[in-house]
Amino acid sequence: SQKIEQNSEALNIQEGKTATLTCNYTNYSPAYLQWYRQDPGRGPVFLLLIRENEKEKRKERLKVTFDTTLKQSLFHITASQPADSATYLCALDEMGGKLIFGQGTELSVKP
Amino acid sequence: EAQVTQNPRYLITVTGKKLTVTCSQNMNHEYMSWYRQDPGLGLRQIYYSMNVEVTDKGDVPEGYKVSRKEKRNFPLILESPSPNQTSLYFCASSSTTSGGFTDTQYFGPGTRLTVL
Repeated sequence: SQKIEQNSEALNIQEGKTATLTCNYTNYSPAYLQWYRQDPGRGPVFLLLIRENEKEKRKERLKVTFDTTLKQSLFHITASQPADSATYLCALDEMGGKLIFGQGTELSVKP
Repeated sequence: EAQVTQNPRYLITVTGKKLTVTCSQNMNHEYMSWYRQDPGLGLRQIYYSMNVEVTDKGDVPEGYKVSRKEKRNFPLILESPSPNQTSLYFCASSSTTSGGFTDTQYFGPGTRLTVL
């Protein structure tokens, strides 16, 4: 079955810089990938969804790309702020409701 | 306000004492799911339901039961809890597409369960 791999190491960046998080999947390309933000002790919150026929999607300071050749999605936060500090999760639906989440990448934005 | 609610939010219990964690959504979503989250293991799906009376196993269903008698409710039942079920549990709901995929997942606030 599919596996998702996200950078397990925390990402530390300076305020104002662009954060780039990686999500790699192992098998067939999913119909779409989703990105979520999770704060400690709270439920994940949806950020963006990108479909396999979309190369890129944007929402305010967020951008997601989807490369089916590399089997990878990149999540970018431009002009990062300390309030962006959280864990970011990547997820895919294997179809029929079976969802797989990556372990998440913890982002820390220092002022 | 659109939301997914879970109860209780915190629970400490003892091995073998049956418990139920309730989950309810007010968005008329077809799809509902339960996850557990453990340090270093991420979110793992326990059970999911694409609609009323339809449930399927996720990656870690052992030791859990679910039922979906009504669209809005999806309780998680631990018939005989054990310490390895100590975890943070999340319920989620979503609409579904005509192609059989889920859409944006809306998560509940979580239930922190400790089994002694």
